[in-house]
Amino acid sequence: QVQLVESGGGVVQPGGSLRLSCAASGFTFSTYGMHWVRRAPGKGLEWVAFIRFDGSNKYYADSVKGRFTISRDNSNNTLDLQMNSLRPEDTAVYYCAKGPQSWDPIDYWGQGTLVTVSS
Amino acid sequence: DIQMTQSPSSLSTSVGDRVTITCRASQSISNYLNWYQQRPGKAPKLLIYAASSLQSGVPSRFSGSGSGTDFTLTISSLQPEDFATYYCQQSYRTPLTFGGGTKVEIK
Repeated sequence: QVQLVESGGGVVQPGGSLRLSCAASGFTFSTYGMHWVRRAPGKGLEWVAFIRFDGSNKYYADSVKGRFTISRDNSNNTLDLQMNSLRPEDTAVYYCAKGPQSWDPIDYWGQGTLVTVSS
Repeated sequence: DIQMTQSPSSLSTSVGDRVTITCRASQSISNYLNWYQQRPGKAPKLLIYAASSLQSGVPSRFSGSGSGTDFTLTISSLQPEDFATYYCQQSYRTPLTFGGGTKVEIK
């Protein structure tokens, strides 16, 4: 069955960097687009970024554009999110999620990894 | 960006009740509307896609309707495991956007 396992979360100071990873299994990773979605404490879901199956196109929320970079390694079935210039408002549970194309529904989600930005 | 407005933001209801949640888009999104359920401490789960199509494995008491700008999620007879937060999401255009969520609580 589909499994998405996030890692790399933790506590970081404002202005710092963190790299999240997602290990995918149970489906042909190289043929699916992938998302990062987050949920801040007490808030709703917020889409963060999407990458096409081959990495040819990437899309970002305005709130993270220029600070976050989504990437993938189809040979190792992994998805990454490099987060720079972190702000307290980036504190959230970050979910790795699968969706064939950006216009398709997000059909599987990982359990999430918590990122806390605090001094 | 396309804004998604859900209502109500919360509701208290009982097992067996019929529940209706609405979602409005700030512009037409055709049927590019999806519904998700999130239980506390769990990952979101896809319930309905393309406004009215039931995701595989989701009970038939869940249904969706609408097109253009106005959409509805209906739970025909609420079960104990349905107490959760529900989100609509448009996939018509990036940036993808979610509604603010509707928390369904036990009365």
